[in-house]
Amino acid sequence: GNSVTQMEGPVTLSEEAFLTINCTYTATGYPSLFWYVQYPGEGLQLLLKATKADDKGSNKGFEATYRKETTSFHLEKGSVQVSDSAVYFCALSSGGYNKLIFGAGTRLAVHP
Amino acid sequence: GAGVSQSPRYKVAKRGQDVALRCDPISGHVSLFWYQQALGQGPEFLTYFQNEAQLDKSGLPSDRFFAERPEGSVSTLKIQRTQQEDSAVYLCASSKDRGRETNEKLFFGSGTQLSVL
Repeated sequence: GNSVTQMEGPVTLSEEAFLTINCTYTATGYPSLFWYVQYPGEGLQLLLKATKADDKGSNKGFEATYRKETTSFHLEKGSVQVSDSAVYFCALSSGGYNKLIFGAGTRLAVHP
Repeated sequence: GAGVSQSPRYKVAKRGQDVALRCDPISGHVSLFWYQQALGQGPEFLTYFQNEAQLDKSGLPSDRFFAERPEGSVSTLKIQRTQQEDSAVYLCASSKDRGRETNEKLFFGSGTQLSVL
């Protein structure tokens, strides 16, 4: 069946450090891939998406590239800020009703 | 309201009690999803409505779980005879779309945290 695996957290970084959160997936067909973010006390929000192989999603300085050959969708940011501290979820969508399959989440803590 | 509203925000139930969790989606949104998020895990799909029709309930873990959306707007997730393993955050999400674009414009509520003692 379809599944998503992402690196365990927490990830602790200093401000302005480079961020990578790894995500790999298993899926039949051609899923769409997403990164969602959950800030403390808030609901899940879509951060970025990619709908086909080699697409690059980007938003707020974050980016991820849909790599079909390695079944990966790693999240990167060149210079993190304290305000990026949150839990990040990788997800895929497939099937007739577009339900999402999420990874377990990776908590990011950025210190000044 | 401006977003997806869920109530109550917190619910404590004794094992064996029945509970009802409410979701008010954004007005006019066609698609409505329920997800269950256990502590330290990602959300897991429970059920999907398109207007009032429940088109997918494959994620409901047992027949103790029941969801409805009778008028195509507000939805209620009911759990009968709650068990400790039902303790989780229950998330509702809605979208104005129904096709492939559904998840590109999906809005999540803040969830109901259910604790079963």
